[in-house]
Parts: sequence; C-alpha cells; structure tokens
Amino acid sequence: DGGITQSPKYLFRKEGQNVTLSCEQNLNHDAMYWYRQDPGQGLRLIYYSQIVNDFQKGDIAEGYSVSREKKESFPLTVTSAQKNPTAFYLCASSIAGVADTQYFGPGTRLTVL
Amino acid sequence: DQQVKQNSPSLSVQEGRISILNCDYTNSMFDYFLWYKKYPAEGPTFLISISSIKDKNEDGRFTVFLNKSAKHLSLHIVPSQPGDSAVYFCAAKGVYSGGGADGLTFGKGTHLIIQP
Repeated sequence: DGGITQSPKYLFRKEGQNVTLSCEQNLNHDAMYWYRQDPGQGLRLIYYSQIVNDFQKGDIAEGYSVSREKKESFPLTVTSAQKNPTAFYLCASSIAGVADTQYFGPGTRLTVL
Repeated sequence: DQQVKQNSPSLSVQEGRISILNCDYTNSMFDYFLWYKKYPAEGPTFLISISSIKDKNEDGRFTVFLNKSAKHLSLHIVPSQPGDSAVYFCAAKGVYSGGGADGLTFGKGTHLIIQP
C-alpha cells in the first residue's frame, strides 16, 4: 500500500523550541517537497529535494531546515528563528520527470504556544 | 506578487449543473498546470493536469481548458455532485523551461459548494 505518511497529525510546541516534522514515502519517488499552508492562502514552497543528499530552498525557507539522507525520508525542522511557525505543513513527492505530478501526504498541523 | 491567481474565493453551484473554476497566471515560463482538490485538515488530492502543448484535457467529469494567449485556465466539472464540495487549487510550474523537479506555485484556492 504505497503512499506518503506524515506524523504526527497535530503537534504542539512552546515558543523558542525547535521541532521536526516527519515525512516518509514508499512510492520510490526521487523528489520530495515541503509546503506550508496558512488560512485563506495557497500552499507555499519551503524546501525541495530532487535527489538524496541534495536539497534546494523554496520561496519561504527562512527559519526552516531539512535533510535528505534517505530516498524515502525528508524531515523538516522548524527552528526558533521562524517568526510565524503555526501553520499546516504538507509534504509531497514526485517522480521528478519532465511533467511530474506531485502527490501529497495528509499534513501536520503545528501550533506554537 | 501572485503568479497564480484564483480570483473567486468561493463558488456555489447546484447539484447536477456545471461548475467552472477559473485560474489566471502571469509567469510566461509556466508550461504545466495542475488542479488539486482539498478537504480541511487533509493533503491536496491531484485531479487533472495539462501541459502547454495542449488546450484541453478530459478525465471523466473533469475537463481542464488552457488558453495560453490569455494566460488562463479553467476546470469544468460536469455534472457537479455533493462530494465535489471542497477547496480547489490551481498550480503551475515551468517544466519544459527547465523547472525540472522544482516546486509548484499555487493559487489561493476556490471553495466550491455544491447545493442540493
């Protein structure tokens, strides 16, 4: 049963703490992505990775960090430098071909208190 | 500066009728377009896509039309069903222009409400 999993579904953290969001896929996709959604807004790209051990900043990378040590995994760390970390975070993956379609996980709602 | 615009935050359509969701883009490098459907607190689900070499793509009840000269695309849902009630996002990327596996640029979404 292939897919993208994100855990946990809901996450609460105190202000000033770093927190890591998990994203795992078993679709054998090369590319993985992290987006953030705020109320009434579209999704905005945080980071993406086209291949293991390589990743690129998206439109709103400040205050975030990622790693891509395995093809299946692309964790996102929300650092204390992120000014407004409370949001809905979505992970996606794709084959990374010419006209690839991105498939999304169920998302993690992060609330910073 | 929004590169992908969905100017209607919401749309109400009667069950059985046609739903037409619109999307405009400003970046001429975009050449691949996708529509996603999203329920609250869930990830978006891919619906249909179209590349710039086509002007129409159809999949069951869903048809996407692309007007490159107007930088406009639309999603038609016929007939509309209650389960179609959701937020619909238009997304774009520059694939043939070298975007490769870059991320998508999303519009803000249109909330489609199907009324019985």
